[in-house]
Amino acid sequence: EVQVVESGGGLIQSGGSLRLSCAASGFTVNSNSMSWVRQAPGKGLEWVSVIYSDARTYYADSVKGRFTISRDNSKNTLYLQMSSLRVEDTAVYYCTRDQDYYDTSGSYYYYGMDVWGQGTTVTVSS
Amino acid sequence: QSVLTQPPSVSGAPGQRVTIFCSGNSFNIGAGYDVHWYQQLPGAAPKLLIYTNNNRPSGVPDRFSGSKSGTSASLAITGLQAEDEADYYCQSYASSLSKVFGGGTKLTVL
Repeated sequence: EVQVVESGGGLIQSGGSLRLSCAASGFTVNSNSMSWVRQAPGKGLEWVSVIYSDARTYYADSVKGRFTISRDNSKNTLYLQMSSLRVEDTAVYYCTRDQDYYDTSGSYYYYGMDVWGQGTTVTVSS
Repeated sequence: QSVLTQPPSVSGAPGQRVTIFCSGNSFNIGAGYDVHWYQQLPGAAPKLLIYTNNNRPSGVPDRFSGSKSGTSASLAITGLQAEDEADYYCQSYASSLSKVFGGGTKLTVL
């Protein structure tokens, strides 16, 4: 079964650091791009970061310079290292698989986030 | 404030049709990027509902359909059912290669 399971959330003080993990099964984390999406309490979805199969990374402006996305292919796990945490980073963090691929000419095709975890909650206190 | 604009709420009676609009600009939807839709049932993680504007993943009823035109997209739900009550989000790319979501629309089945 294709699934992802997040862990690592918790209560942390403002300015602190936390590392989220996302264990994948049924597929390999480097075969697709993988994203982190968060949802603050009572709010909508906010895209946080992506790592492509070729290891390029991109970040939302709100977390750039503070968060780092990475993966460990040997553990088939995606990570999100969060530092200099702020109260406004409080949210449920979802790990997602992006349904995408590159064809033989290098053209990129993206079909949305087709696998979501159950989320892990990060609470940043002041 | 979300990059893509959706109405905060829509409602409809069972059996009716509702449409949720998603408005972008020339840097996202209007730049040619596809639109994807997600359904989030109460207390659950989001689920991919429509991909690349008008395609349904396996298992999604054909009551759900999507379309895209210019800088906007829409999600239509026909034959509304109580189980469709959820939050719906559109998603696309921005020219900066970041991904963007709409603010979400809460669907209430009357």
